[in-house]
Amino acid sequence: DGGITQSPKYLFRKEGQNVTLSCEQNLNHDAMYWYRQDPGQGLRLIYYSQIVNDFQKGDIAEGYSVSREKKESFPLTVTSAQKNPTAFYLCASSGWTNSYEQYFGPGTRLTVT
Amino acid sequence: AQKITQTQPGMFVQEKEAVTLDCTYDTSDQSYGLFWYKQPSSGEMIFLIYQGSYDEQNATEGRYSLNFQKARKSANLVISASQLGDSAMYFCAMREGRSRDMRFGAGTRLTVKP
Repeated sequence: DGGITQSPKYLFRKEGQNVTLSCEQNLNHDAMYWYRQDPGQGLRLIYYSQIVNDFQKGDIAEGYSVSREKKESFPLTVTSAQKNPTAFYLCASSGWTNSYEQYFGPGTRLTVT
Repeated sequence: AQKITQTQPGMFVQEKEAVTLDCTYDTSDQSYGLFWYKQPSSGEMIFLIYQGSYDEQNATEGRYSLNFQKARKSANLVISASQLGDSAMYFCAMREGRSRDMRFGAGTRLTVKP
């Protein structure tokens, strides 16, 4: 089955610790994205990558870092510099279609206390 | 500036009736794409429908149709024959120009009543 996997589904961390969220896709998509969603709100773009070894900041990149060493993988690190890291994080990917529609993973709910 | 506006925080519809979810957008690009996604309580985002700015006809996908009014910059989602499983958050999103990243609205929570 082709799709996007994110692990773990729930993640708990202490304040001051860095944490890395995993995102893997087997759709052969070239572009991948990370979004943050806070309760009752829409999605906000953190980072995106259109090719391996290249990525661009989105609207709320401060306190986050990413890498794209493989086409299939786009991990997101939430650093201790992120002031309010508790949120729902969604990873997505898109291929070369007419619309560039994005397909999403199941999300990781991060709680930092 | 807010690029995508969804003015209905919540909507209710009776099962088997049609419902329209509003979306207005703001862009200076001539080429853009508009999307609707559904987010059930599980959290995953499900792609529903796409409308390109140059598409002359309104997009349809099964029970979903997009009422695209370019001059008014609106892209409303119409769900026909609502089902209980349609209860979810619905998000409108836009991609501008040749950019592949999207911006999302705040969403509308739809509740289908039996």
